[in-house]
Amino acid sequence: QSVLTQPPSVSGAPGQRVTISCTGRSSNIGAGYDVHWYQQLPGTAPKLLIFGNNNRPSGVPDRFSGSKSGTSASLAISGLQAEDEADYYCQSYDSSLSAPYVFGTGTKVTVL
Amino acid sequence: QVQLVQSGAEVKKPGASVKVSCKASGYTFSRFGMHWVRQAPGQRLEWMGWINAGNGNTKYSQKFQGRVTINRDTSARIVYMELSSLSSEDTAVYFCARDDFADYDPYFHYWGQGTLVTVSS
Repeated sequence: QSVLTQPPSVSGAPGQRVTISCTGRSSNIGAGYDVHWYQQLPGTAPKLLIFGNNNRPSGVPDRFSGSKSGTSASLAISGLQAEDEADYYCQSYDSSLSAPYVFGTGTKVTVL
Repeated sequence: QVQLVQSGAEVKKPGASVKVSCKASGYTFSRFGMHWVRQAPGQRLEWMGWINAGNGNTKYSQKFQGRVTINRDTSARIVYMELSSLSSEDTAVYFCARDDFADYDPYFHYWGQGTLVTVSS
């Protein structure tokens, strides 16, 4: 069912910049639907990180940024910190599936 | 502030049903939709369904169609999700999530703390 593909894991040293890709198709990201990102710390509920492709909710540090192009989107974390170690999921709307709201496969970010 | 508080963990036998509640506070209940998302152990997030808290309209993932029912008690500000004919594959943490849209396609702005449902004989 999952139609948003993310790399299983990315890692970086403190202070570095890492990016997470989210690859979709013509029925979701490629159709112009917005991409949103969530951070999930171990054992907790997801937290909204980026909405509308590149907007941060109040309280989210500007180290987090999002972008979208074509059938893909990306989340960038600059100045990586230990507390950024978590799972990250992209989410969009899909017009072709029986489940219109789709999530990515998830990416584990490890701070070395 | 917006808060979504879910009911506690459940243990069910195969074939049984489970009903999970999500009590909302801190906003105008009828203005926003509520979604249910589940996460099996070590797995990704999976959307199950949605209710318009204002008029009660629902939409379900085809995967769960016929097994899931979402309804709400407007006066109590509670949304319920009931899943029937449980199997071990339904063992997961179930989250309610309030949507938001503003000028964008809907996203899940606020989340409940999650409810662990374990299905075991």
